[in-house]
Amino acid sequence: DQQVKQNSPSLSVQEGRISILNCDYTNSMFDYFLWYKKYPAEGPTFLISISSIKDKNEDGRFTVFLNKSAKHLSLHIVPSQPGDSAVYFCAAAPRGAGSYQLTFGKGTKLSVIP
Amino acid sequence: DTAVSQTPKYLVTQMGNDKSIKCEQNLGHDTMYWYKQDSKKFLKIMFSYNNKELIINETVPNRFSPKSPDKAHLNLHINSLELGDSAVYFCASSQAGQAFFGQGTRLTVV
Repeated sequence: DQQVKQNSPSLSVQEGRISILNCDYTNSMFDYFLWYKKYPAEGPTFLISISSIKDKNEDGRFTVFLNKSAKHLSLHIVPSQPGDSAVYFCAAAPRGAGSYQLTFGKGTKLSVIP
Repeated sequence: DTAVSQTPKYLVTQMGNDKSIKCEQNLGHDTMYWYKQDSKKFLKIMFSYNNKELIINETVPNRFSPKSPDKAHLNLHINSLELGDSAVYFCASSQAGQAFFGQGTRLTVV
């Protein structure tokens, strides 16, 4: 049972345009959400996060939007650059973690075309 | 300076063997993890240790045994390897709501 779903396995975007990566979750106990970026043969690296008390968090070209009622979050990258080409994982963690358990989606492979 | 390092990067071994993957973090984090990325690309948590104590143990066969000699190390021992154990294994550490991952160990069981 996938608690975190990224329904688009891949996405191609022209350089300079906006990339929008989507993520849905089913577990209402999740209250902290993260995006990770992964290059081939490397581990995932943290990109941006959002807690459930917010609906938007922005960091440079990256913005994450959270719609709690729809259990949906999205990552916007604007403008997209060729170096953004990677696999992006959405992850979620339950509230109250002294421990910290991430549940990951399957990832979306973003290709930014020069 | 590598924050979370795991060795080896690649491991090819025969069924039935016992192998270990080592992980070290120099971030001073209290919590460390092992994740498995299977052939379907799911990243699933296997174990979590906080201050050398096991706090999460997902439904993982008991052939997999984590060992944490100190806060900076979390090693993964796998006994009697099976074909289905082939995957990429990621070590991670976390503090204050953010996890840092190692580069992964690609395990191939033949």
